[in-house]
Amino acid sequence: EPEVTQTPSHQVTQMGQEVILRCVPISNHLYFYWYRQILGQKVEFLVSFYNNEISEKSEIFDDQFSVERPDGSNFTLKIRSTKLEDSAMYFCASSVRQGVTEAFFGQGTRLTVV
Amino acid sequence: KNQVEQSPQSLIILEGKNCTLQCNYTVSPFSNLRWYKQDTGRGPVSLTIMTFSENTKSNGRYTATLDADTKQSSLHITASQLSDSASYICVVRASSGGSYIPTFGRGTSLIVHP
Repeated sequence: EPEVTQTPSHQVTQMGQEVILRCVPISNHLYFYWYRQILGQKVEFLVSFYNNEISEKSEIFDDQFSVERPDGSNFTLKIRSTKLEDSAMYFCASSVRQGVTEAFFGQGTRLTVV
Repeated sequence: KNQVEQSPQSLIILEGKNCTLQCNYTVSPFSNLRWYKQDTGRGPVSLTIMTFSENTKSNGRYTATLDADTKQSSLHITASQLSDSASYICVVRASSGGSYIPTFGRGTSLIVHP
């Protein structure tokens, strides 16, 4: 069964460093998403991406964040100048279409900023 | 402000018993409502997706209901199994001007005891 894969599963970084979280969406999917879940809190939408550009983003997704689809298969989330409060589980998801269609989530990358 | 409230926050039941989880929302204009199951440390997995015109949708032992008038949804789990222990998340999407940003509930943590 096709699935969304994320790497690494756990990333530890020092405050102020840049991190890149990687995702390989399901191959025939066209919409890609990043979500964040701080420990013990609810999942939060960060950004959606379609046709090589951001289609929507939340208030959380400020200039510290960027997304890219560098090679037609990977979908990356870059976090610049990480802060302690960026520590969270980051989930990538993909879907065939937007709207009423199932989004498939990856297993997540746990980011710990120390 | 779009909000999704879930109750109870946590629930403990014995294996084989039924349970019902609640979701109230204030998201407008309503597009669709999804229930996800999230195992600890994993990504959410979709259980059901319901649009405005749907009152009930089943997926195996999971049955979701939707009352768009009162803006309430429930997820009923029949004959619970140990593997049902997880967080169940209600997610509501608005649809306004092409925006599909989802609003997540905090989830109900279900523990099924043998």
